[in-house]
Amino acid sequence: EAQVTQNPRYLITVTGKKLTVTCSQNMNHEYMSWYRQDPGLGLRQIYYSMNVEVTDKGDVPEGYKVSRKEKRNFPLILESPSPNQTSLYFCASSPSSYEQYFGPGTRLTVT
Amino acid sequence: TQLLEQSPQFLSIQEGENLTVYCNSSSVFSSLQWYRQEPGEGPVLLVTVVTGGEVKKLKRLTFQFGDARKDSSLHITAAQPGDTGLYLCAGQNTNAGKSTFGDGTTLTVKP
Repeated sequence: EAQVTQNPRYLITVTGKKLTVTCSQNMNHEYMSWYRQDPGLGLRQIYYSMNVEVTDKGDVPEGYKVSRKEKRNFPLILESPSPNQTSLYFCASSPSSYEQYFGPGTRLTVT
Repeated sequence: TQLLEQSPQFLSIQEGENLTVYCNSSSVFSSLQWYRQEPGEGPVLLVTVVTGGEVKKLKRLTFQFGDARKDSSLHITAAQPGDTGLYLCAGQNTNAGKSTFGDGTTLTVKP
């Protein structure tokens, strides 16, 4: 089954404790992105990747890092999480940079 | 930063009514998508439009891309409770991989 998977689905952590949210797609898509979704602010793009080893900043990259060492994986790294990074995070992949296929989301709470 | 404004923000109607949701920008987009998102899930792609003036139909849903590629609309005929959800538009310009999302329209269809 073609899909985008994210882990974990739910995470509660404390300020400053490094964490990684994994994202994997099995559709051989070149493009992948990370978004955060907050009430009243919609979906905002954090980082995106056009191919292996090629990444670029979205609209809200501060406090996040990404890497794309393999085509199928695009992990999101929070080196020192803060409470303002509490949000619902979505990973997406795309064959063309247009239509995107989203994962199920990761709900992160930073206390 | 390119912006997409959606209206209305909330819409509550009775089953069987028609409705139109709008997505507007002052910027030109090379392509635009509509997604539907249900609570606790990731957005699901409905349609992609790329040509100014393009009209696409998906059963009871009709999507239109403005002639100048700055706006789009989603029209639903004879709405059903199953149409309930958050409708999001997203656009891309020539910067491959970069996407901008609107804030969404929350639609509730009452039986």
